[in-house]
Amino acid sequence: QSALTQPPSASGSPGQSVTISCTGTSSDVGGYNYVSWYRQHPGKAPKLMIYDVIKRPSGVPDRFSGSKSGNTASLTVSGLQPEDEGDYYCCSHAGNDKYVFGTGTRVTVV
Amino acid sequence: DVQVEESGGGLVQPGWSLRLSCAASGFTFEEYAMFWVRQAPGKGLEWVSGINWNSNTIAYADSVRGRFTISRDNARNSLYLQMNSLRVEDTALYYCAVDVYGSGSPSLGLDYWGQGILVTVSS
Repeated sequence: QSALTQPPSASGSPGQSVTISCTGTSSDVGGYNYVSWYRQHPGKAPKLMIYDVIKRPSGVPDRFSGSKSGNTASLTVSGLQPEDEGDYYCCSHAGNDKYVFGTGTRVTVV
Repeated sequence: DVQVEESGGGLVQPGWSLRLSCAASGFTFEEYAMFWVRQAPGKGLEWVSGINWNSNTIAYADSVRGRFTISRDNARNSLYLQMNSLRVEDTALYYCAVDVYGSGSPSLGLDYWGQGILVTVSS
């Protein structure tokens, strides 16, 4: 169960878009359409942003979108806002009722 | 209002045991799969264990299998994590989380989280 690979950091100006990648293997990301994304602000619990690769929970703005190609899932945040800053983690089903998180990406709105 | 609150953490020595509890309210606890996720100081999230609504499906990360046991009591709206043979590398903030959107394995959508409880393993 190796952690999924995410870039350590990403940044964008207000109003711009940023895309975060999440790379796994055919045993996790590539094998299932069950990737979720979480945002975590400092000192706070994570917040669900996307589930089942592309679905948005109630209350999450449509500026957040997910996709997947092969063994890599992506989260795109459009129209960046200051509150979008934080640490973003992907999570994938990894077979046998197990899950694996990504290494995390710190998003900065510059 | 939904409330998820962990308890039972603390400072223990390597090899000791600890039992975490998670008290839930504000939603129908027995309808949802529950999970433990941990975060070592300054590090990322790590999935630890999950249990479905009726305890028929239980899974553990390789790093804790054989040492940790997850359980739930639907009558008490509570989730537990029995942690035995604790190691220094188990030091982390342990979150209890509810699979609100996942509708059960393999889909996962953890939408209710506690604030976490700190477990420190040190001699």
